[in-house]
Amino acid sequence: DAKTTQPPSMDCAEGRAANLPCNHSTISGNEYVYWYRQIHSQGPQYIIHGLKNNETNEMASLIITEDRKSSTLILPHATLRDTAVYYCIASPTGTASKLTFGTGTRLQVTL
Amino acid sequence: NAGVTQTPKFQVLKTGQSMTLQCAQDMNHNSMYWYRQDPGMGLRLIYYSASEGTTDKGEVPNGYNVSRLNKREFSLRLESAAPSQTSVYFCASSEGVIQYFGAGTRLSVL
Repeated sequence: DAKTTQPPSMDCAEGRAANLPCNHSTISGNEYVYWYRQIHSQGPQYIIHGLKNNETNEMASLIITEDRKSSTLILPHATLRDTAVYYCIASPTGTASKLTFGTGTRLQVTL
Repeated sequence: NAGVTQTPKFQVLKTGQSMTLQCAQDMNHNSMYWYRQDPGMGLRLIYYSASEGTTDKGEVPNGYNVSRLNKREFSLRLESAAPSQTSVYFCASSEGVIQYFGAGTRLSVL
């Protein structure tokens, strides 16, 4: 799996958009970009994934650069409940998707 | 619909003791996984099972064994617990690309 690099921490004001960057310069053609988050000590929660097109769901948007070397997760209106550690993972799909979690970005949403 | 259920939630062991962590999913998923998470670290894959009847090593398998009992259940066994195995253990299941995680088992080995 390609290595990903994320800033260790970020702050965001409640109600504003949170933009979380991820660098994956060695990503290969068959690897997707996945985002999960972990709130406090709970199990990780899937957010979104994509290959090369931008994706949007009810939780977030994922913007992947044309060269696929980096991506940005966007939470359009962050709330206090979005305070969590966010993990960006590059991994191929398969029968069993083995995910390699780094240390992620700790997002703190403040009033 | 419970999703992924892990038992126990907490456990304290003495060095050398054995125990089995249980995991069950009710989503009819083929694939199941065991991860560990040490303080300040991301999750690391211990073992996974792509389908019923198969198991494979992940990144950190030493000191652990697994059993895919049936499609629903995937257990993790520590035969002789060591302090280095103090961690939070997460089980997950998937059908396709999305993994669904349990709430975790917090294990301390003294």
